[in-house]
Amino acid sequence: EAGVAQSPRYKIIEKRQSVAFWCNPISGHATLYWYQQILGQGPKLLIQFQNNGVVDDSQLPKDRFSAERLKGVDSTLKIQPAKLEDSAVYLCASSLGGSGSYNEQFFGPGTRLTVL
Amino acid sequence: KNEVEQSPQNLTAQEGEFITINCSYSVGISALHWLQQHPGGGIVSLFMLSSGKKKHGRLIATINIQEKHSSLHITASHPRDSAVYICAVLPQLIFGTGTRLQVFP
Repeated sequence: EAGVAQSPRYKIIEKRQSVAFWCNPISGHATLYWYQQILGQGPKLLIQFQNNGVVDDSQLPKDRFSAERLKGVDSTLKIQPAKLEDSAVYLCASSLGGSGSYNEQFFGPGTRLTVL
Repeated sequence: KNEVEQSPQNLTAQEGEFITINCSYSVGISALHWLQQHPGGGIVSLFMLSSGKKKHGRLIATINIQEKHSSLHITASHPRDSAVYICAVLPQLIFGTGTRLQVFP
């Protein structure tokens, strides 16, 4: 079974530029998560989707970050414009999900973003 | 005070030693997730538990919901166990900062 796919693996941009990350979850997984992991810290949830609906985006900086999951499968996370403090690894995870169930999450390899 | 705290932050051990990593939390939870993160960033799920104890190979995870505490034990540690171990509480999806384990031959 294929795992969670993410691209690109690495990205270097200058501040104020835009960047987009892509995630393809495990087939059949209804729930998709985007996390931000700053060096030396644990992952922080940015947004959680259930199919193509948003479950939780309370920690997503909506002035610059946006995410979508059209058709309830692939997802993209965008930062526009990027700031220096956005330098981090962006992790995508998926789980079988379902209302009221807390399923094991499977993580992608992450995208390491460096903002100069 | 962080809602999820792990101890110790760093841990070194000799091959074969018994390892314990602790996770304490201050919020009500439904389940707790133990994860392993290797250099290079890949995260692997180890356990998800809501009560009692689970065992998989040399790994054992326990949780005490009343005391808001979970432990991850590694028996007969091996250099390949070297990684960062992270706990996360659900449904809030709050992660600890991780415990960096190094096991030397």
